[in-house]
Amino acid sequence: EVQLVESGGGLVQSGGSLRLSCAASGFIFSSYEMSWVRQAPGKGLEWVSYISSSGSTIHYADSVKGRFTISRDNAKNSLYLQMNSLRAEDTAVYYCARVYFGYYDRWGQGTLVTVSS
Amino acid sequence: DIQMTQSPSSLSASVGDRVTITCRTSQSISTYLNWYQQKPGKAPDLLIYAASNLQSGVPSRFSGSGSGTDFTLTISSLQPEDFATYYCQQSYSILTFGGGTKVEIK
Repeated sequence: EVQLVESGGGLVQSGGSLRLSCAASGFIFSSYEMSWVRQAPGKGLEWVSYISSSGSTIHYADSVKGRFTISRDNAKNSLYLQMNSLRAEDTAVYYCARVYFGYYDRWGQGTLVTVSS
Repeated sequence: DIQMTQSPSSLSASVGDRVTITCRTSQSISTYLNWYQQKPGKAPDLLIYAASNLQSGVPSRFSGSGSGTDFTLTISSLQPEDFATYYCQQSYSILTFGGGTKVEIK
C-alpha cells in the first residue's frame, strides 16, 4: 500500500526554522517526482515546491523562494523541506504529494506548521 | 506563470442536482488539467486527470471536459458525500491550483 507520512511540523517563532520530512513506502520512491503543497487555515491549496525523481530539477513558488529548500534521499525513501526565515503567512498544513504524469495521485495526511509572530 | 480561475467560488445545491464547476486558465494548456475533491480535515483526492479521465474508484457521476483554456467538472446527480471543496490543477507547467469551489448543502 502506498503511504506518505509527514512529520516535523509544530509551533515556531517568526524568523525561525523547521525541517519537514515525508517518509514514503509501498512504491519505488526513486522513480517518482514529488512536491510539497500547503494549505493555510480556511484557504485553498498552494503548491510550494517540486523535485524530480533524481533530485536534479527543483522548482519553488515565489512565496518561498530563497527561504525553503526541498531535497530527497532516495536511499531512505524520504522527502524533505527545510524551511528558514519563517513568517506568519507560512502557517499552514503541509502535504507531501506524489506526482504522476503531472497530477498528484497520492497525498500524505499533512503536518501543521504554525508560525507565531 | 499560468493563472487559474475557478468559478463559482462557492455554490449551494441539493441532493440530486446537476452541478457544474468551471476552471479557466490564462493560456492554453491543451488537456493538462486535473480535478480534486477535498473534505474538511483531509488531504485532497484525485477525481479527474488529463481533463476527462476518471481516476480509478471515482464514481461515474463525476465527469470532466474541456481543452485549451476552458474546463468543466460536472457532478451529474449530487450525493450527500459530494459536499466538499473542489480544485482544478494544471500540469502544463509548474503544477499550480485554482482557488477552489466549495459545494454546500442547500
